[in-house]
Amino acid sequence: KAGVTQTPRYLIKTRGQQVTLSCSPISGHRSVSWYQQTPGQGLQFLFEYFSETQRNKGNFPGRFSGRQFSNSRSEMNVSTLELGDSALYLCASSSDGANIQYFGAGTRLSVL
Amino acid sequence: AQSVTQPDIHITVSEGASLELRCNYSYGATPYLFWYVQSPGQGLQLLLKYFSGDTLVQGIKGFEAEFKRSQSSFNLRKPSVHWSDAAEYFCAVATGTASKLTFGTGTRLQVTL
Repeated sequence: KAGVTQTPRYLIKTRGQQVTLSCSPISGHRSVSWYQQTPGQGLQFLFEYFSETQRNKGNFPGRFSGRQFSNSRSEMNVSTLELGDSALYLCASSSDGANIQYFGAGTRLSVL
Repeated sequence: AQSVTQPDIHITVSEGASLELRCNYSYGATPYLFWYVQSPGQGLQLLLKYFSGDTLVQGIKGFEAEFKRSQSSFNLRKPSVHWSDAAEYFCAVATGTASKLTFGTGTRLQVTL
């Protein structure tokens, strides 16, 4: 069974631009969560989607948004990029009731 | 709010030596507890988990962890470290559906030959 796939692996953007990251969960998993990892703040929860609905949300500004499609694939969008948005963005998926999250390799976003 | 503390930012051990990484959590009830490992430039790999039952849990790669309710701790151990274990280790807690993990700040493990 294929693992969690995140694309692209690397991105370079400039301040003020917007970016969209993609995550394909493990087949059969309906929950997708997103995390931001930075040297200063560590790993922080962004949001979780389940069956196309946002189920949980972390403490991030509205510039960070996401969505989930009917095939459980998820996208995360960041608008009006700031230098501080440079980070590794990790996606994780889990199956119903399993309480275990499996992570992808992440997308490294650099904002110049 | 729940929180996780990993007091050791960086640990260096010799190959073949034993290892213990500390993790303390703050939460009113027993949360779900996890240890993940991250190699440079990679995502997180689950080493082991504790939900309930036996307080000593076995994981992959020869790791184990012990849940101690009285100390609110979930320390990770390995009897003999291999050079390939060099990585960053994260303790995490969750409640409810465990879809929202709260992570510690991580412990970077260096292994000397």
